[in-house]
Amino acid sequence: AAGVIQSPRHLIKEKRETATLKCYPIPRHDTVYWYQQGPGQDPQFLISFYEKMQSDKGSIPDRFSAQQFSDYHSELNMSSLELGDSALYFCASSLRDSGRRSEQYFGPGTRLTVT
Amino acid sequence: AQSVAQPEDQVNVAEGNPLTVKCTYSVSGNPYLFWYVQYPNRGLQFLLKYITGDNLVKGSYGFEAEFNKSQTSFHLKKPSALVSDSALYFCAVRDMGGGKLIFGQGTELSVKP
Repeated sequence: AAGVIQSPRHLIKEKRETATLKCYPIPRHDTVYWYQQGPGQDPQFLISFYEKMQSDKGSIPDRFSAQQFSDYHSELNMSSLELGDSALYFCASSLRDSGRRSEQYFGPGTRLTVT
Repeated sequence: AQSVAQPEDQVNVAEGNPLTVKCTYSVSGNPYLFWYVQYPNRGLQFLLKYITGDNLVKGSYGFEAEFNKSQTSFHLKKPSALVSDSALYFCAVRDMGGGKLIFGQGTELSVKP
């Protein structure tokens, strides 16, 4: 079965550079979530999209922005990178329903290292 | 605010013995609860969920979880642990507003032969 695809899998950037992370959800899934997992931490919600519109926002820095495109893939844009942005970034997708019962399926993550 | 807590950072079990990974929750209203497993350098894999219905939920790889409303708990269990079960386990609650997952701190499960 098709899974969530994230690219790149690994990314090394220097401070103050920019980075773009991509996420391709499971086919027919209409909702995308972005999470950040720091070393030894639990995943923290950043932002989500439903049908190409932002649906919720968490602890996402102003330096970060994201969008969902017409083909439902999503991109997380990160500017003015800081050392503290080094983390594993996960994308998850789900099929939205009125009861919010659907589980989220996670991609393998993008490991961002800022030097 | 909704939250989940995993009181144990690490659980050690001998292969073949039963295992329990604990999770307690704090939500207003009916909780939507999930368990995910994370292997090193991998994404989170869905194990099981409780939405409504039977308090004992069966999931992938022989795992099950028991929802206990009076104790506000959702412990993950397996009758006979395997070495390959060694991983990081996260309990999560679904936010009723935007649908995001709120994770516990994670529990490292180590199963020794």
